Amino acid sequence: EAQVTQNPRYLITVTGKKLTVTCSQNMNHEYMSWYRQDPGLGLRQIYYSMNVEVTDKGDVPEGYKVSRKEKRNFPLILESPSPNQTSLYFCASSYSPGGGRRNTGELFFGEGSRLTVL
Amino acid sequence: KNEVEQSPQNLTAQEGEFITINCSYSVGISALHWLQQHPGGGIVSLFMLSSGKKKHGRLIATINIQEKHSSLHITASHPRDSAVYICAVSPPRGSNYKLTFGKGTLLTVNP
Repeated sequence: EAQVTQNPRYLITVTGKKLTVTCSQNMNHEYMSWYRQDPGLGLRQIYYSMNVEVTDKGDVPEGYKVSRKEKRNFPLILESPSPNQTSLYFCASSYSPGGGRRNTGELFFGEGSRLTVL
Repeated sequence: KNEVEQSPQNLTAQEGEFITINCSYSVGISALHWLQQHPGGGIVSLFMLSSGKKKHGRLIATINIQEKHSSLHITASHPRDSAVYICAVSPPRGSNYKLTFGKGTLLTVNP
């Protein structure tokens, strides 16, 4: 079954305690991305990756790091979490979100990770 | 940066009504996505459009590239259609892959 898997789904942590949210996809997608969703602000892109070892900043990258060492995995790292990073996080993948010859730009989302930083 | 506006922000309908949700954007794009998010739930892709029109069941999505506008229509709406509908745009090919999202339209369909 085609899927994007995020872990953990729920996490409560304290300020400054490093954490990693994992994201894995089984569709051999080139594109992977992280988003945060906040009330009144909608979805905002944190980082994205077009392929292994290729990552780029989205609109709200401050306080986050990512890596893409393997095609299937794209972890989101919060080195020193702060309360303003309390949010609902989504990982997504696609062959190419802009479409293309195969027109297979459909986005597949993980189930979300609700993070609370105290 | 592309500005994506959705309207209306909130929409309440009676079961069976025809629903239209609009999305406008300010800069040329390579594709537009319509997404659905049920309360407390994950996000599901409904359509990806580069031109014209697509239909899936009771859902129809159209896009007018010249006018920078897309619409999502739901025919014969049902309470299970109650969800947030989100429009997202991909920048032109050859540029970056920063997706820009609208703030969503909350649809409530009453029985």
